[in-house]
Amino acid sequence: AQKVTQAQTEISVVEKEDVTLDCVYETRDTTYYLFWYKQPPSGELVFLIRRNSFDEQNEISGRYSWNFQKSTSSFNFTITASQVVDSAVYFCALSGGSGYSTLTFGKGTMLLVSP
Amino acid sequence: NAGVTQTPKFQVLKTGQSMTLQCAQDMNHEYMSWYRQDPGMGLRLIHYSVGAGITDQGEVPNGYNVSRSTTEDFPLRLLSAAPSQTSVYFCASRPETASGNTIYFGEGSWLTVV
Repeated sequence: AQKVTQAQTEISVVEKEDVTLDCVYETRDTTYYLFWYKQPPSGELVFLIRRNSFDEQNEISGRYSWNFQKSTSSFNFTITASQVVDSAVYFCALSGGSGYSTLTFGKGTMLLVSP
Repeated sequence: NAGVTQTPKFQVLKTGQSMTLQCAQDMNHEYMSWYRQDPGMGLRLIHYSVGAGITDQGEVPNGYNVSRSTTEDFPLRLLSAAPSQTSVYFCASRPETASGNTIYFGEGSWLTVV
């Protein structure tokens, strides 16, 4: 069975602070995919990143960066110099690599960035 | 390109009523699925389909029916709505080729059962 744990239910920061959202996963698959989605107050799910289990390189996209560590089964997400527009719920998700596999979501972390 | 389209966006039902949440995608994706989102629970899989004529249950299937008569459409039916089905429902689709492909979500349907 797959499991995704986002231990931080809610995080509050002041604008321009850096913030890291934690994600720990469990899977028996040797090949799998990890995702991060953003859900702003408007409610839609916005795809942020997909990472293959064989690719442990960190990724940076503007103010966003992701740290994937198979040794600790973690896929953490860092926002540098946070902005009010970053306020949202962020979901980490896991998909197995064999054939069709559904997406297992964590419970989400609500990030509130204050001006 | 419309992507994944869900209707209706908002709906209020009385307990015991039935309704269908519609989901359509125009990307010729084989795989489609329905999730529900409840506060503090993340998204949980209700039903999914790997192609026309093939459906299977997810984590929380009770109270819901699905069918997949065409590649484009994957409706979710509530036969007798209950207050516990008050939730936000998301339909999603994905290309067949690899499970790592990006999953495309609809904009969500907010359902309240009173």
